[in-house]
Amino acid sequence: DTEVTQTPKHLVMGMTNKKSLKCEQHMGHRAMYWYKQKAKKPPELMFVYSYEKLSINESVPSRFSPECPNSSLLNLHLHALQPEDSALYLCASSPSTSGGANEQFFGPGTRLTVL
Amino acid sequence: GQQLNQSPQSMFIQEGEDVSMNCTSSSIFNTWLWYKQDPGEGPVLLIALYKAGELTSNGRLTAQFGITRKDSFLNISASIPSDVGIYFCAGRPTQGGSEKLVFGKGTKLTVNP
Repeated sequence: DTEVTQTPKHLVMGMTNKKSLKCEQHMGHRAMYWYKQKAKKPPELMFVYSYEKLSINESVPSRFSPECPNSSLLNLHLHALQPEDSALYLCASSPSTSGGANEQFFGPGTRLTVL
Repeated sequence: GQQLNQSPQSMFIQEGEDVSMNCTSSSIFNTWLWYKQDPGEGPVLLIALYKAGELTSNGRLTAQFGITRKDSFLNISASIPSDVGIYFCAGRPTQGGSEKLVFGKGTKLTVNP
């Protein structure tokens, strides 16, 4: 299995809702990432988990809360989002975060719209 | 922060033509990755490069890790309509930790049949 899967594919939520994005990989990778991507822009890193521990938080607002329940799963909990948070949210994984041969593999993304 | 300069920003070509795009940096990188992204989808890894001077092919795609470790190029030969999309270079700088990728701004490729 060489895939990163993400659910849901699309999500529409109001500013008072609480929702979660889910990501899963079964490649035995020990590093997982959340990115945010706006139209016609490159992905922007949000969080990095290494061996199930949060290693990087790129000063992301607290309305985004990541969680890594185990080495295969990564969640992003959303609460009180703003319309400007509407974007494509991408999950990625890599074998580890150090050393060579650490290419990142991306999931298909969740298209989030905040009303 | 570190930046990658990716060019050209966009390309309009006829089917069958060859394409070349490149990325440059002011600092040294130890990894170069090339991704293709279709609208509404996640980036798909095309080629990964790990050594200065390395030349790697994947079908009609060829990419090279520059000798100075500050640049990389991607060539697509005999383009076809399904090559349409946005191509991103990404690199892992030698300084500042190995966890982060730095992305170029992308090259949007349009192929006219």
